[in-house]
Amino acid sequence: DAGVTQSPTHLIKTRGQQVTLRCSPKSGHDTVSWYQQALGQGPQFIFQYYEEEERQRGNFPDRFSGHQFPNYSSELNVNALLLGDSALYLCASSLGLHRTDTQYFGPGTRLTVL
Amino acid sequence: QQQVKQSPQSLIVQKGGIPIINCAYENTAFDYFPWYQQFPGKGPALLIAIRPDVSEKKEGRFTISFNKSAKQFSLHIMDSQPGDSATYFCAATQTGANNLFFGTGTRLTVIP
Repeated sequence: DAGVTQSPTHLIKTRGQQVTLRCSPKSGHDTVSWYQQALGQGPQFIFQYYEEEERQRGNFPDRFSGHQFPNYSSELNVNALLLGDSALYLCASSLGLHRTDTQYFGPGTRLTVL
Repeated sequence: QQQVKQSPQSLIVQKGGIPIINCAYENTAFDYFPWYQQFPGKGPALLIAIRPDVSEKKEGRFTISFNKSAKQFSLHIMDSQPGDSATYFCAATQTGANNLFFGTGTRLTVIP
């Protein structure tokens, strides 16, 4: 049974560029959440997708956007990259809304902005 | 504003020792408190969790102690092993919420 998978593993971009990160949820899960984990910090909630809609958003600017596809996979897009966007981006999946008690995290995508 | 405060930032113990990691929260609406373990290059993995209706929960060598009046909870690792060396995060959320609030993490090193 495949867990949460994310791609790519690592990514290097320059300031001002745009990036797209991808996530496939654990088999049977239909809800995807994205978190940003800066170096030496705990993960911070970006947003959550359920039924192809953004359901809740954390304190992140509109440069951060997302999408969920009918097969429940998800993308995180970040526009106009800043140096401060360098972080590990984690995807977590669960079955249904309001199920933070069953969130499974993927290994993350390490984004470096130069 | 940090919703969950975690200490210490790092911890070194000998094999067999009992490391203790502490967390505190302010939001009294929080009613679910998980601990996550993260190894380098991996995502956080749920270790153990507690709800405020109990003061202690044990799963194997891991124990959570919960003090509702003080709004504090802690993780104890009994008979720690070198394989327990990882970063540990406490977190908190409330029923019906869609997101977890994480502490800043504790890097644990268990020396053989």
